[in-house]
Amino acid sequence: NAGVTQTPKFQVLKTGQSMTLQCAQDMNHNSMYWYRQDPGMGLRLIYYSASEGTTDKGEVPNGYNVSRLNKREFSLRLESAAPSQTSVYFCASFMDRGRGTEAFFGQGTRLTVV
Amino acid sequence: SQQGEEDPQALSIQEGENATMNCSYKTSINNLQWYRQNSGRGLVHLILIRSNEREKHSGRLRVTLDTSKKSSSLLITASRAADTASYFCATDDNNDMRFGAGTRLTVKP
Repeated sequence: NAGVTQTPKFQVLKTGQSMTLQCAQDMNHNSMYWYRQDPGMGLRLIYYSASEGTTDKGEVPNGYNVSRLNKREFSLRLESAAPSQTSVYFCASFMDRGRGTEAFFGQGTRLTVV
Repeated sequence: SQQGEEDPQALSIQEGENATMNCSYKTSINNLQWYRQNSGRGLVHLILIRSNEREKHSGRLRVTLDTSKKSSSLLITASRAADTASYFCATDDNNDMRFGAGTRLTVKP
């Protein structure tokens, strides 16, 4: 089992460019989440998908869109990147949200917007 | 806004000492979890305590939960240099999982 795989690991974008961060899990989990981590801020929830076919906004959704392509894959898209989106992005998956199951995290995508 | 708030923000101790980190939260929860993050890596789950539990142990880890005070503590006993990492509490309230800003633990050999 690979667990949660994120691609790419590093990316530099120019302001206004777009890109999609990919996340895939092979644990047959229902719930998948996208977080961003900034220094001193901990992890902030961007979007989540409680199950295949559903997505919901988290704490900081502005400037992002998501797609739950199938049960395995949950992508995060930046349509027009801004320097404020420079961050480390983490994807996580859970068997079932809110039922006391642990989260499994990917290794992160370090994004710099210049 | 973040649900959990860890305290202290940073902690530096000598190898062999115990390390205690605290977490406070704001709303009712189903459970509270602690995670560890090594520099440049993703978070790794350490331990989960349910809202009806008061204390839980796992190896050198001891977690307590006081729902009346909306607080939890993580104790790492007999710390090792390899315990150097950031530690986060996460609250699960059936809507989403929120993380605090973390405690940066440094264990000096």
